[in-house]
Amino acid sequence: QSALTQPASVSGSPGQSITISCTGTSSDLGDYKSVSWYQHQSGYAPKLVIYEVSNRPSGVSHRFSGSKSGNTASLTISGLQAQDEADYYCSSKPTGSPVIFGGGTKLTVL
Amino acid sequence: QEHLVESGGGVVQSGRSLRLSCKASGFTFNQYPLHWVRQAPGKGLEWVAEIPSHGSWQYYADSVKGRFTISRDNPKNTLYLEMKSLRPEDTGVYYCARDLGGGTGHTFYAMDVWGQGTTVTVSS
Repeated sequence: QSALTQPASVSGSPGQSITISCTGTSSDLGDYKSVSWYQHQSGYAPKLVIYEVSNRPSGVSHRFSGSKSGNTASLTISGLQAQDEADYYCSSKPTGSPVIFGGGTKLTVL
Repeated sequence: QEHLVESGGGVVQSGRSLRLSCKASGFTFNQYPLHWVRQAPGKGLEWVAEIPSHGSWQYYADSVKGRFTISRDNPKNTLYLEMKSLRPEDTGVYYCARDLGGGTGHTFYAMDVWGQGTTVTVSS
């Protein structure tokens, strides 16, 4: 199964909002709600920021939000802060298939 | 505080074996499904294997099926990954991760607690 497609990089200035897309097919993303997003900062363990498309784990800032339309999931970070600079990965779990990660998106805060 | 600590990584020749361990603390270990996830140098995350809370079945990525075995010892709060017939493409940082679905009987496939990772290098 191929990785989900994410843009290699996105950037934004402090205070702005950015959106990272994660595109798959109906058989690996569109028909499923087990879509998650992870923040991975260099030297640290990955951190879950969104699960089941749009749910925030306890302790994750309200500036992080997730959505899905058709075969594309999206992560939006509002009020961008320097500490948000990291690699972001989406993942999906299709029924009967393994977990698939996206290729990752490097977020740069200008 | 919920913690996972991996160990057992190292440098190994192609074709050899290695066993990784992941020691948990700060939560009820036997209630949670667990995963191994790896990251090759300069690459993205790759899911490797899953084991439910009771450990009665295992699920693997195609890339490791037949070579890797995930297991758990609930009384010892420890997760394992036995890796055999290692290949250079298995090189990377290996993370153990806890599934969000502890105590719910449901696996969310969302990993809310991660270890810091242990590095495996397979030389050819």
